[in-house]
Amino acid sequence: NAGVMQNPRHLVRRRGQEARLRCSPMKGHSHVYWYRQLPEEGLKFMVYLQKENIIDESGMPKERFSAEFPKEGPSILRIQQVVRGDSAAYFCASSFGTGDTYEKLFFGSGTQLSVL
Amino acid sequence: AQKITQTQPGMFVQEKEAVTLDCTYDTSDQSYGLFWYKQPSSGEMIFLIYQGSYDEQNATEGRYSLNFQKARKSANLVISASQLGDSAMYFCAMRGPYSGGGADGLTFGKGTHLIIQP
Repeated sequence: NAGVMQNPRHLVRRRGQEARLRCSPMKGHSHVYWYRQLPEEGLKFMVYLQKENIIDESGMPKERFSAEFPKEGPSILRIQQVVRGDSAAYFCASSFGTGDTYEKLFFGSGTQLSVL
Repeated sequence: AQKITQTQPGMFVQEKEAVTLDCTYDTSDQSYGLFWYKQPSSGEMIFLIYQGSYDEQNATEGRYSLNFQKARKSANLVISASQLGDSAMYFCAMRGPYSGGGADGLTFGKGTHLIIQP
């Protein structure tokens, strides 16, 4: 009964490189959310996706960041030309997507991105 | 816009004592959900408990209960008989109805770092 799977667990990149973070939702879940957590902070919403569709990317920086959730395979959060300020923990969550305000989001263990 | 405030950055509590973690929220929505998550040092986010805005009774899940005071817009987490394994960050979060223009997800507070002492 696998939960939300994120990989890698830790990712180290040098400034200017690309970072690709992967998220496989829980079985049966078709909605994926990406959050970013800076040290000593709560999680901040970035983007909300359904299969092959971005529902809401209002929390996503306008440049260098992109996300996708293809018909097959995991959701990918891509950060191009990383900078030190991108260093953070990135969490993925999934849900059935009922839209119910009481619907729980299940989180993965996160990817810790460190930019050197 | 939704906002969650957790005023306790850190707390030290003796093992076996009860703990109350504060959470206040601000929203113009009539229908919303309130959630508590635990984040141990390993980093994962663990769902603990939720309360619906229309629920008349306070939610309970084992040693966790939610003291929901709608008029005061507070949703405090109560942990009874604390254990060493309860040491972690605790986040209060809220979810409102999807309006089409905002995030259909959770708005988080900054968290409370709880340390249980033997």
